Amino acid sequence: KNEVEQSPQNLTAQEGEFITINCSYSVGISALHWLQQHPGGGIVSLFMLSSGKKKHGRLIATINIQEKHSSLHITASHPRDSAVYICAVRSGGSNYKLTFGKGTLLTVNP
Amino acid sequence: NAGVTQTPKFRILKIGQSMTLQCTQDMNHNYMYWYRQDPGMGLKLIYYSVGAGITDKGEVPNGYNVSRSTTEDFPLRLELAAPSQTSVYFCASREDGGSYEQYFGPGTRLTVT
Repeated sequence: KNEVEQSPQNLTAQEGEFITINCSYSVGISALHWLQQHPGGGIVSLFMLSSGKKKHGRLIATINIQEKHSSLHITASHPRDSAVYICAVRSGGSNYKLTFGKGTLLTVNP
Repeated sequence: NAGVTQTPKFRILKIGQSMTLQCTQDMNHNYMYWYRQDPGMGLKLIYYSVGAGITDKGEVPNGYNVSRSTTEDFPLRLELAAPSQTSVYFCASREDGGSYEQYFGPGTRLTVT
């Protein structure tokens, strides 16, 4: 079983819809990262969370440490949000390394 | 600031050939990483380095070698390429402490036939 599980694997939405992507992990962590990979392949960091909630524009990330679960929400989705969203965890034992989920492919149609 | 740069962008190798994937960062980051990304799979760590002269194996190091003679450069060497090494390779770097955010290069798409 993967240490980091994302759901759904694929998500198709209409422009304007509210999007939720989920991430569950099985190990103790010191932080969780959300990243975005665009169709061209480039990967950028969106958030790092160790507790609570963070917001950046239309993106909101939450984490529940007790339940070992995080969600990434996109409000008022737009076709330019179409990308792969990747969850990664930094385990308590190692500050060097991230363990990555397989990613969620989001397609937002106009 | 160019960030993290990787060369080449694409490469086709024959089985048994060797090559070096180049990675350079201009942010004076001590931590650097090499990942591979296979279709439908999460990024897997090949090797990482916590500073010049220090490297260590990640999850999938077999068939690869690295060196870190300077802070800026972290080349990945493939010896005796195999079809199983067909993948997209990403280099990343991060600063010590702080946000722990990793900055990724644009990737190298490698095909071994």
